[in-house]
Amino acid sequence: DAKTTQPNSMESNEEEPVHLPCNHSTISGTDYIHWYRQLPSQGPEYVIHGLTSNVNNRMASLAIAEDRKSSTLILHRATLRDAAVYYCILSRPGGNQFYFGTGTSLTVIP
Amino acid sequence: NAGVTQTPKFQVLKTGQSMTLQCAQDMNHEYMSWYRQDPGMGLRLIHYSVGAGITDQGEVPNGYNVSRSTTEDFPLRLLSAAPSQTSVYFCASSRGREQPQHFGDGTRLSIL
Repeated sequence: DAKTTQPNSMESNEEEPVHLPCNHSTISGTDYIHWYRQLPSQGPEYVIHGLTSNVNNRMASLAIAEDRKSSTLILHRATLRDAAVYYCILSRPGGNQFYFGTGTSLTVIP
Repeated sequence: NAGVTQTPKFQVLKTGQSMTLQCAQDMNHEYMSWYRQDPGMGLRLIHYSVGAGITDQGEVPNGYNVSRSTTEDFPLRLLSAAPSQTSVYFCASSRGREQPQHFGDGTRLSIL
């Protein structure tokens, strides 16, 4: 199964947009792109997922490159509560893997 | 709604002991899974189930057994605990393999 590459850490100022990148150059046509986040001492929390088209929900937006080899999670206005580790994950229908990797640790500066 | 409930929250074992970590969900989800998370690492999939009576191995299955006799419950058994199994264990459930997963709060397990 394909894996992803994310920066280890990023910083953002409060109330500014945040763009969290993810590279997945070996993605296959049927792989879904998922984003989860994990706050300290908590279980992961679903953020968003998509296949080919850009996706929006109340938490964030997911922008998927045309060749699908990369994607970007967009938090439109970062708050202190958004400080967490963000994981970009690929999953394949029928596959048995769901690789979390080490994610991107987001720090939000007041 | 309770969501995904894991028990116990904390446990200390001695090497060689056996133990069952409990996971229950009340959302009628077909897909359930177990992960472990070591310090500073992402989660790694241990075992998963696509429905009652059906289980399969994930990335790191050795030393663990699972069963799925009901839709609601998915226990994880450590057969003979080893210090390398010291970790935080998370259970998750979802309506399907590609659907959003709901995670429990975790079980922090230390093996001496």
